[in-house]
Amino acid sequence: GESVGLHLPTLSVQEGDNSIINCAYSNSASDYFIWYKQESGKGPQFIIDIRSNMDKRQGQRVTVLLNKTVKHLSLQIAATQPGDSAVYFCAENGGSQGNLIFGKGTKLSVKP
Amino acid sequence: DAGVIQSPRHEVTEMGQEVTLRCKPISGHDYLFWYRQTMMRGLELLIYFNNNVPIDDSGMPEDRFSAKMPNASFSTLKIQPSEPRDSAVYFCASSLSRGRTDTQYFGPGTRLTVL
Repeated sequence: GESVGLHLPTLSVQEGDNSIINCAYSNSASDYFIWYKQESGKGPQFIIDIRSNMDKRQGQRVTVLLNKTVKHLSLQIAATQPGDSAVYFCAENGGSQGNLIFGKGTKLSVKP
Repeated sequence: DAGVIQSPRHEVTEMGQEVTLRCKPISGHDYLFWYRQTMMRGLELLIYFNNNVPIDDSGMPEDRFSAKMPNASFSTLKIQPSEPRDSAVYFCASSLSRGRTDTQYFGPGTRLTVL
């Protein structure tokens, strides 16, 4: 298996509650941001993205908020379901010529 | 629609052996990325290709790692010789552009264990 490393931040919520996952990004030149969901044994899956000319974007049950002043990104999941249990990563593009830079991830655990 | 396809899904090998990981990107995508994921370091970009040409391999850890993309529908990541510290999950991803306006779509990954 994998070596022991840093424990991921964990958010535990009750089924049906709303979840908020936060991410601090590092590069003020980043102008494109993505949230990914990674379930156990699977690759990261695209959830929602946002460009720096917006501060909010909504999808189905998910909302991404962007605060460029403090370089903060959040993902809100409404009516959290057991199937939402996963590790969530934010990613930034490091500017128009940059590569995607992924955060360390937050583990969301949904209690039935 | 088939997403990004990777093979094998699991690979167990002994230190010193050659390992080859394979990837088929989504048809029509111009960019292909290889990532490595570990608990210690998270997701790390190893290399990416644009139109089959390697653009940035600065993330490749050392000369033991090499990647090729002989055509638009196939790429390999080779480790020779492999070492226990190479144990990780290796992901391939593809996108229409380099992430500014198009997201990267990931394959299921290859879990590599080097004994």
